[in-house]
Amino acid sequence: NAGVTQTPKFQVLKTGQSMTLQCAQDMNHEYMSWYRQDPGMGLRLIHYSVGAGITDQGEVPNGYNVSRSTTEDFPLRLLSAAPSQTSVYFCASSLGQHYNEQFFGPGTRLTVL
Amino acid sequence: DAKTTQPPSMDCAEGRAANLPCNHSTISGNEYVYWYRQIHSQGPQYIIHGLKNNETNEMASLIITEDRKSSTLILPHATLRDTAVYYCIVDSGNTGKLIFGQGTTLQVKP
Repeated sequence: NAGVTQTPKFQVLKTGQSMTLQCAQDMNHEYMSWYRQDPGMGLRLIHYSVGAGITDQGEVPNGYNVSRSTTEDFPLRLLSAAPSQTSVYFCASSLGQHYNEQFFGPGTRLTVL
Repeated sequence: DAKTTQPPSMDCAEGRAANLPCNHSTISGNEYVYWYRQIHSQGPQYIIHGLKNNETNEMASLIITEDRKSSTLILPHATLRDTAVYYCIVDSGNTGKLIFGQGTTLQVKP
């Protein structure tokens, strides 16, 4: 099993550009989520999904869109990048909403100039 | 969700036990205590969780006080690779939405 994979590892954007951060898992996990981590801080939840076709907002959803068309993939879209979105983004998955042993990907470091 | 309080940093000598405390005085009866750690620049890693009984696995032990207002994560024989930020999280387990605080930075020294 590859576990949770994220691409790209690093990305630099200019203000106003859009892009999609990819997240995939091969563990047949129902629950997937996206977090962001700013320097010296803990992780904050952006969006989450309890299964294919179902998504919901987390603590800091503004400026981000998600969709879940398959169990395996949970992409995070930045519609119009802003410097405040400079952060490290982590994707996580678990068997289900009620299982809090979550598996995290290696992260994507995003810089918005 | 109940909040947790952890010391910002701790040191531990290599080979000794590392005892990381966490206060969660407002924990509710159905809330679990979870511990994750984050080694520099990596994604967080699940360590252990418990409700009221003490728990042990291959990584660590979790000691929860009888009143459940505090807990201690024990790494029995710390190694340099255990240097990381350790997060104590309290959650009912029904939402999947982990709330990470600042955590404790554990530095294991040779």
